[in-house]
Amino acid sequence: DSGVTQTPKHLITATGQRVTLRCSPRSGDLSVYWYQQSLDQGLQFLIQYYNGEERAKGNILERFSAQQFPDLHSELNLSSLELGDSALYFCASSVGPSETQYFGPGTRLLVL
Amino acid sequence: ELKVEQNPLFLSMQEGKNYTIYCNYSTTSDRLYWYRQDPGKSLESLFVLLSNGAVKQEGRLMASLDTKARLSTLHITAAVHDLSATYFCAVDTETSGSRLTFGEGTQLTVNP
Repeated sequence: DSGVTQTPKHLITATGQRVTLRCSPRSGDLSVYWYQQSLDQGLQFLIQYYNGEERAKGNILERFSAQQFPDLHSELNLSSLELGDSALYFCASSVGPSETQYFGPGTRLLVL
Repeated sequence: ELKVEQNPLFLSMQEGKNYTIYCNYSTTSDRLYWYRQDPGKSLESLFVLLSNGAVKQEGRLMASLDTKARLSTLHITAAVHDLSATYFCAVDTETSGSRLTFGEGTQLTVNP
């Protein structure tokens, strides 16, 4: 158990819908990262926050957005969902940038 | 653009044998990580390698880093079934904003 929690574990929804994935980092970690894992794209970095501020952005679609709240938990919002958004979404956290990232259990999203 | 390549992508080996997984990356790196992922599970941090010549060992796994060759290896000694998993290397550079760029993963199966 890495100490990073994610909810929900599984999510099944329909195309066009919007979902919110939630992540609580390890105690004391200020950085939160979001990654997407799919069979065709592998593990891809989406976005990083540090102490509430966006720090780096990867291949994140415009339909996706995220934020980190004052209590350091983070949410990833996915809207206008498409079949291709079906994937495992991981949150990771670290004490600071460029420190070892610890991954949560992931949220498995299935878009039908 | 930073690229990370692993080989082999699939590895089937017998218990008791030794083998090496290779990870090549395309640009100067600040840190190289090895993670393990069991099917349907999260990523578990194994090693972080920070400098040229770094070597770390944990049980039957040993990781090394050659920054001049832009190469890291994960050596498995006397494999046991419990090591069956997918192993990822990942690279982090300051210029990438601490995001991790992952290799494709090596799916290791250890047969009795």
